[in-house]
Amino acid sequence: AQSVTQLDSHVSVSEGTPVLLRCNYSSSYSPSLFWYVQHPNKGLQLLLKYTSAATLVKGINGFEAEFKKSETSFHLTKPSAHMSDAAEYFCVVSDRGNQFYFGTGTSLTVIP
Amino acid sequence: EAGVAQSPRYKIIEKRQSVAFWCNPISGHATLYWYQQILGQGPKLLIQFQNNGVVDDSQLPKDRFSAERLKGVDSTLKIQPAKLEDSAVYLCASSRSRETTQETQYFGPGTRLLVL
Repeated sequence: AQSVTQLDSHVSVSEGTPVLLRCNYSSSYSPSLFWYVQHPNKGLQLLLKYTSAATLVKGINGFEAEFKKSETSFHLTKPSAHMSDAAEYFCVVSDRGNQFYFGTGTSLTVIP
Repeated sequence: EAGVAQSPRYKIIEKRQSVAFWCNPISGHATLYWYQQILGQGPKLLIQFQNNGVVDDSQLPKDRFSAERLKGVDSTLKIQPAKLEDSAVYLCASSRSRETTQETQYFGPGTRLLVL
């Protein structure tokens, strides 16, 4: 069975400092992993995805994530937070049937 | 390319009333999904279509929820009768195919339902 655990429900960072949003997954085989961002009253937008190619995945808006099989992790990082990064972030694992399993989300606050 | 379209964007109804949501996926996308997102939670899959057939509806409360995708393109989700706990955002998503795990799902803006 597939599942996703987002370790922090809320993260606060100062503008210009690094962002780390943590995600651990469980899967019975090699999964596909995604990070989506949801701004208030907006739809879910794909940030990046891992599909068994390079383990370090670069996404939009300066975000990247590293797939670590030994740690079953797929943490999202960004070197320098911007005010516009404040949003809800979801880690997602996908199974063979292309069904998505969402984490509970991490709310990112960026302090000016 | 145009994104996933949903309407209405907001809906307020009283409990025991009926409501319907509409979704038009990205052109050419074979797979369509309906999710329910309760405030403070991640989206939960309600139903998944492949063309006009149902792939998975195991989490759809079938006593009150129904969905169809008759021509394999747009879809409607209906709630009849609505309960207070149905207050949520209903998200529609589409992807090209369910034949691979690599397919990205593209989400619409959602319909925010409030049941009073």
